[in-house]
Amino acid sequence: GESVGLHLPTLSVQEGDNSIINCAYSNSASDYFIWYKQESGKGPQFIIDIRSNMDKRQGQRVTVLLNKTVKHLSLQIAATQPGDSAVYFCAENTRSPRDTGRRALTFGSGTRLQVQP
Amino acid sequence: NAGVTQTPKFQVLKTGQSMTLQCAQDMNHEYMSWYRQDPGMGLRLIHYSVGAGITDQGEVPNGYNVSRSTTEDFPLRLLSAAPSQTSVYFCASSYGASGRKYNEQFFGPGTRLTVL
Repeated sequence: GESVGLHLPTLSVQEGDNSIINCAYSNSASDYFIWYKQESGKGPQFIIDIRSNMDKRQGQRVTVLLNKTVKHLSLQIAATQPGDSAVYFCAENTRSPRDTGRRALTFGSGTRLQVQP
Repeated sequence: NAGVTQTPKFQVLKTGQSMTLQCAQDMNHEYMSWYRQDPGMGLRLIHYSVGAGITDQGEVPNGYNVSRSTTEDFPLRLLSAAPSQTSVYFCASSYGASGRKYNEQFFGPGTRLTVL
């Protein structure tokens, strides 16, 4: 079936540098693409989403870019801090598996971001 | 607000045993769901509910049952535990079942389940 995946399982950056986490998707029918952050021992936490008809959306220290031509999504974190160390998941808002007209989130496998002091 | 709470935090079962994972939210969210997370993988949807009395299957529903008698609670029942159900289980809720309200899921802290 179609899925959402990530290029890099682990990304290591220096504190203060910018981080870029990438994600490839295959389902062109998704309405939204979403980024979640999961710290060790905790549940995922919503970061930012982008509608499929947009190319860029900015939040606080984060920017999400969507390239529909190559089906690529990225999360940019400015001035990365130790508190940004976590696993980052991209997800798609798509139809539920049983196609009942309801929605479901399909998650990628995650990228671990390690911030070096 | 406590947000989304889950109990227990850890559980060990023997093959064939049954148990219920509890989930509650105090944000008056209509939508609630259960995911499982296996090592090196993302989250996979087990079951979800768009409101009290309404449930539906997700991607991996086999071996699990749910019910939604109140807005606040959404328990997940393992009927006959199998080693393949060893995983971390997350409950989540959101303000809506579509659009931007659905994108922002609020997750609980998880239940780590081991089936021997």
